[in-house]
Amino acid sequence: AQSVAQPEDQVNVAEGNPLTVKCTYSVSGNPYLFWYVQYPNRGLQFLLKYITGDNLVKGSYGFEAEFNKSQTSFHLKKPSALVSDSALYFCAVRDMAGGFKTIFGAGTRLFVKA
Amino acid sequence: DAGVIQSPRHEVTEMGQEVTLRCKPISGHDYLFWYRQTMMRGLELLIYFNNNVPIDDSGMPEDRFSAKMPNASFSTLKIQPSEPRDSAVYFCASRPSAGGTSGANVLTFGAGSRLTVL
Repeated sequence: AQSVAQPEDQVNVAEGNPLTVKCTYSVSGNPYLFWYVQYPNRGLQFLLKYITGDNLVKGSYGFEAEFNKSQTSFHLKKPSALVSDSALYFCAVRDMAGGFKTIFGAGTRLFVKA
Repeated sequence: DAGVIQSPRHEVTEMGQEVTLRCKPISGHDYLFWYRQTMMRGLELLIYFNNNVPIDDSGMPEDRFSAKMPNASFSTLKIQPSEPRDSAVYFCASRPSAGGTSGANVLTFGAGSRLTVL
C-alpha cells in the first residue's frame, strides 16, 4: 500500500534562511509526488509535483523539491524563507498500483520568524 | 472558473441529527474526492468518484456516512446520525482525468466545510 511520512510536526526557520521540509514515501510502483500548502481556514493549494524527468522540480512561490529514488524522499526546499511562507505543508503520493487516489502525509507546520 | 464550491462553510448540529455537505466540482473534472481533516488523523480520504461513479469508499468510517454524485456538477456527503467524533473539516477536491494535460494529476480543493457536532 502507498504511504507518506513527514517526520517533523513543525519546522522553525528565520526569515532569509533556507528551509527544508522533509517527506519520504512508500509505493509499489512509480510514484507521482506532490506538495500542497494550507493557510488558515483555507483548502489545500498545489505547490509542485514530480511525475517524471528532472529530479529537481520547481514550483510556485520560489519552492522546489528534489526527488531521490534511492532514499524514497521528496523534500521541499526554498533558498530564502519569508514570513508569509508560514503555513501547513503536505506531501502527497499517488501511484498507479494504488489506483487514482492521492494519499497525504500528516503535514508539517512551518514557522518563519522575522 | 469559481473553483470547487463547498457548502455550508460552517455547520453546528446536535448529536443524532442528519448532516448533508455539498460540493460542486470544477466543470470538466472527471474525478471528485471527499477528504476529512482532523488534528488527530490528519487528512483522510473518505471516498472518490470517477465520472459520477464511486470507485473507492474504503475510507468511509462507517455506515453512518454515505456519499452520492447524481451528476457531474454535484456531490453530497451525508452523515446520519451524526456523532461528536464526526467533528472535523470536510474537504471536497476535483481533478481532470489523465491524458497529457499538465493539470491532470493535480487536485483542486474547496475551502472546506467545518462540522461541529455537539
